[in-house]
Amino acid sequence: AQSVTQPDIHITVSEGASLELRCNYSYGATPYLFWYVQSPGQGLQLLLKYFSGDTLVQGIKGFEAEFKRSQSSFNLRKPSVHWSDAAEYFCAVGNTGKLIFGQGTTLQVKP
Amino acid sequence: SQTIHQWPATLVQPVGSPLSLECTVEGTSNPNLYWYRQAAGRGLQLLFYSVGIGQISSEVPQNLSASRPQDRQFILSSKKLLLSDSGFYLCAWSVSEQYFGPGTRLTVT
Repeated sequence: AQSVTQPDIHITVSEGASLELRCNYSYGATPYLFWYVQSPGQGLQLLLKYFSGDTLVQGIKGFEAEFKRSQSSFNLRKPSVHWSDAAEYFCAVGNTGKLIFGQGTTLQVKP
Repeated sequence: SQTIHQWPATLVQPVGSPLSLECTVEGTSNPNLYWYRQAAGRGLQLLFYSVGIGQISSEVPQNLSASRPQDRQFILSSKKLLLSDSGFYLCAWSVSEQYFGPGTRLTVT
């Protein structure tokens, strides 16, 4: 079955600390992978995507993610978190059509 | 550039009343269109998607329906709302990756 798992429902980090949000997927074909961010009461904004090629992809707002086929993972990272990064983050897998989303990880940033 | 609009932004409706949520996309042609529902504390559930005018695929059995009367217009409807229809409804469009609208917060009382 196709699925996306974000093991961490809630993460708290201090401002300036590094961040890694985990994402594991199960998908029958070669996946397209995405990370989205959602601020409270807002729609989702695309942070970055992986279609093919270099397995380390750069996104907006200083985020990056690494595709590891052997581990079926696509973890999101940021070297130094800012207070404005507090939001909910969703990993998604699919193709150019339908996407399957994880349950999301809520990021809290401590001052 | 492309933009996506949803309205209304918020809606409070009694159980048994009808529903119509509208989504329009500007700046692109023949996009795929999607309706998602996001319940509190949960991820996104795909409700409907459309690859063209009049072409609607339903992902989850429910009392909701969708229509695409124009290339860039996608409507989510219900004849009689249930309490369980409450949630945050998101419209999205894609050519490759998906882009989301601002959402509609629906509360059924």
